[in-house]
Amino acid sequence: GENVEQHPSTLSVQEGDSAVIKCTYSDSASNYFPWYKQELGKRPQLIIDIRSNVGEKKDQRIAVTLNKTAKHFSLHITETQPEDSAVYFCAETGGGNKLTFGTGTQLKVEL
Amino acid sequence: DTAVSQTPKYLVTQMGNDKSIKCEQNLGHDTMYWYKQDSKKFLKIMFSYNNKELIINETVPNRFSPKSPDKAHLNLHINSLELGDSAVYFCASSQRDRGFEQYFGPGTRLTVT
Repeated sequence: GENVEQHPSTLSVQEGDSAVIKCTYSDSASNYFPWYKQELGKRPQLIIDIRSNVGEKKDQRIAVTLNKTAKHFSLHITETQPEDSAVYFCAETGGGNKLTFGTGTQLKVEL
Repeated sequence: DTAVSQTPKYLVTQMGNDKSIKCEQNLGHDTMYWYKQDSKKFLKIMFSYNNKELIINETVPNRFSPKSPDKAHLNLHINSLELGDSAVYFCASSQRDRGFEQYFGPGTRLTVT
């Protein structure tokens, strides 16, 4: 992929609310879309991913949706908890092992 | 059991020095990567090796030289360090025929003074 835009750059929600982070990409060949969570001072860790042959994937409180026509994908976190506070990165690749990352979203879940 | 490990965790050095960061993975993966994360948290690929062969080489100054002695190790040597090299450097690994999931090391925080 060449370019990935991620919004918002910061997001503050109340505990229990939902959080949505959106990414837009430009490469039509992109076919793999992972989301990484990075806690302060820690490594990025894969939390969920989706491939281009499906439109939605869910894992407990986390879901990802993909719209290939519009070239955007989103991360949805429901029933947010304080431990969800972190920086979240979207990424994409067209299959060459090269991940292009979004610019990150700082999520803060307030009590 | 640490899947992807890096040494050192912290590195403080002066401008002009040469330093190396080491990375090892015990996941049996065939592909390894170096990423740079700057102060604004941007994560950018620098290099990637598959079975000891360089497959990704982004626009990185030639002061940076990766070396892969075997597919479980990928080291990064930096010559003539500059202030702008200060960042967190992450190593990662993946298995090419098992999807694109990449596993990151704990990072090395490099500070150039």
